[in-house]
Amino acid sequence: AQTVTQSQPEMSVQEAETVTLSCTYDTSESDYYLFWYKQPPSRQMILVIRQEAYKQQNATENRFSVNFQKAAKSFSLKISDSQLGDAAMYFCASSRAGGSNYKLTFGKGTLLTVNP
Amino acid sequence: ETGVTQSPTHLIKTRGQQVTLRCSSQSGHNTVSWYQQALGQGPQFIFQYYREEENGRGNFPPRFSGLQFPNYSSELNVNALELDDSALYLCASSLGQGSSYNEQFFGPGTRLTVL
Repeated sequence: AQTVTQSQPEMSVQEAETVTLSCTYDTSESDYYLFWYKQPPSRQMILVIRQEAYKQQNATENRFSVNFQKAAKSFSLKISDSQLGDAAMYFCASSRAGGSNYKLTFGKGTLLTVNP
Repeated sequence: ETGVTQSPTHLIKTRGQQVTLRCSSQSGHNTVSWYQQALGQGPQFIFQYYREEENGRGNFPPRFSGLQFPNYSSELNVNALELDDSALYLCASSLGQGSSYNEQFFGPGTRLTVL
């Protein structure tokens, strides 16, 4: 079984500043993936970044990077140089790696506001 | 390349009615997953279909059922609607099994309101 917890219902950041969204997880899987998804007001869920649990190196995608602490089961998302278009609901999620039924288990989300 | 599409966009039903939601998967994808997202919550996994067979189910009652067609499009059917079924229903498609990672591509969702 997998659980994902996001303890920050809302966060705000000034444009061009950096913000970090927190996520903790629990899983019985030996190999798994972790994700951050963005859901803008238009509702379409978009993958921001993913991390393979067996890789120690933290994933980076342009202004988005993660801090993956496997022992602590922590997976935070850092957004650098925040832009107005980054305003959205952000969901942390996990799934097993390999095999079948790779369902996504989501947290409750963090609503990010970007102030001009 | 056409992305994941869902229809209808919005739907209003009354308690006890039945509803069918539709999803067209992204070109080349043979796996479809359905999620329920209640207001202010994260999506919850309903079930997944792979090559027309159910391939895993979340904690949802049997009145939630689905189908996948030979072209890999999918339907979600909900019978005996309850007020708590009001939610955004998301469909996600992916390439399928056999590799360790299958990115799921989401559709825009269907907003169901049960009165």
